[in-house]
Amino acid sequence: AQSVSQHNHHVILSEAASLELGCNYSYGGTVNLFWYVQYPGQHLQLLLKYFSGDPLVKGIKGFEAEFIKSKFSFNLRKPSVQWSDTAEYFCAVNWGLTGGGNKLTFGTGTQLKVEL
Amino acid sequence: NAGVTQTPKFRVLKTGQSMTLLCAQDMNHEYMYWYRQDPGMGLRLIHYSVGEGTTAKGEVPDGYNVSRLKKQNFLLGLESAAPSQTSVYFCASSSPTIPPYNEQFFGPGTRLTVL
Repeated sequence: AQSVSQHNHHVILSEAASLELGCNYSYGGTVNLFWYVQYPGQHLQLLLKYFSGDPLVKGIKGFEAEFIKSKFSFNLRKPSVQWSDTAEYFCAVNWGLTGGGNKLTFGTGTQLKVEL
Repeated sequence: NAGVTQTPKFRVLKTGQSMTLLCAQDMNHEYMYWYRQDPGMGLRLIHYSVGEGTTAKGEVPDGYNVSRLKKQNFLLGLESAAPSQTSVYFCASSSPTIPPYNEQFFGPGTRLTVL
């Protein structure tokens, strides 16, 4: 079955520390990859996405992610986190368009807390 | 352009009661989705629709029904609510023909508690 794994469930960092959140998906083929962020009490917002092309994608608020096809991974990174980055982060995968609907499978999420 | 809206924002039900959650989008998207979000489990797809009059089951469809009578609306129904359906429900929409292609936009969520 298609699945998405996020290995870090809770991460606590100090401001200015670097961030890397892992995301792995279960098998290959054509994939569209997404990272969403959910700030406390808010709905999901798209951070960045990968459909094709350059495997290093840049998103909003200084986030980037690297697609490594051989490792089935799409890790999220930020060189220097801020207190305002405190949120829950979700990796999501769409395995092509077969069957229609662009269904997303989400990881279980990573709670990031940034301390001052 | 309101994007995706959901009503109500909060609801408390007693076991066995029924209710309908409404999702509306004004982006002319073909695809719409209902997810539930539970702590430690991420978002799980309940049902989805690829067009008016068409719906399909997602990962966790049991206990829910949906209807897509109009392109802009997607209704999620609970016929007989159970405590296990206590969750936050998110609606989303996307389009394969309108940019940004195949990107899902989410509503603000409905927090449902079943006592």
